[in-house]
Amino acid sequence: GENVEQHPSTLSVQEGDSAVIKCTYSDSASNYFPWYKQELGKRPQLIIDIRSNVGEKKDQRIAVTLNKTAKHFSLHITETQPEDSAVYFCAAKNYGGSQGNLIFGKGTKLSVKP
Amino acid sequence: DGGITQSPKYLFRKEGQNVTLSCEQNLNHDAMYWYRQDPGQGLRLIYYSQIVNDFQKGDIAEGYSVSREKKESFPLTVTSAQKNPTAFYLCASQLDWGQGKDTQYFGPGTRLTVL
Repeated sequence: GENVEQHPSTLSVQEGDSAVIKCTYSDSASNYFPWYKQELGKRPQLIIDIRSNVGEKKDQRIAVTLNKTAKHFSLHITETQPEDSAVYFCAAKNYGGSQGNLIFGKGTKLSVKP
Repeated sequence: DGGITQSPKYLFRKEGQNVTLSCEQNLNHDAMYWYRQDPGQGLRLIYYSQIVNDFQKGDIAEGYSVSREKKESFPLTVTSAQKNPTAFYLCASQLDWGQGKDTQYFGPGTRLTVL
């Protein structure tokens, strides 16, 4: 089955710097890759997603890139702000699989220091 | 995601007791999910349901049970057979199984503590 590894587990940056979180997946048939942001004690919320027919997607300060050959995808946050501090989860999904469920990485705790 | 509610927010259970966590959605979503979240472990799938009166085991179903008698509701029972039930439980739903309709929306969660 699919396995998703996420790095780093913690990341600390200065306000205004960029942050990059990387995930690798094992199932080459996976074709949907969402990113969720979870603030302390709150529910995970989708911030951006990408499908396998696209190499990059951008939404204001957030971008996701996908390298299907290497089986990894990354979240890029530019001009970080203190409100970006949260735990970020990546996930992968294979629509062609029998279950087609999301498999999550273990999360990255991002701290943005003012 | 405001259309998914979970109750209670906090739940305390004595060892040997069964407890039921509520999940309700008014988004008219077909699919619903239960995840367990432990520190440093990410989200792990317990059970999921694609349609009313049908549900499937996820990766860590042992010690849990569910029902899906109504489209809006997907309660999770944590039984006494679950050896380490203390965790944060998240319910999620998505419109249906097709591409483009598969964004999962999460409820606010229930924090279960075994005393």
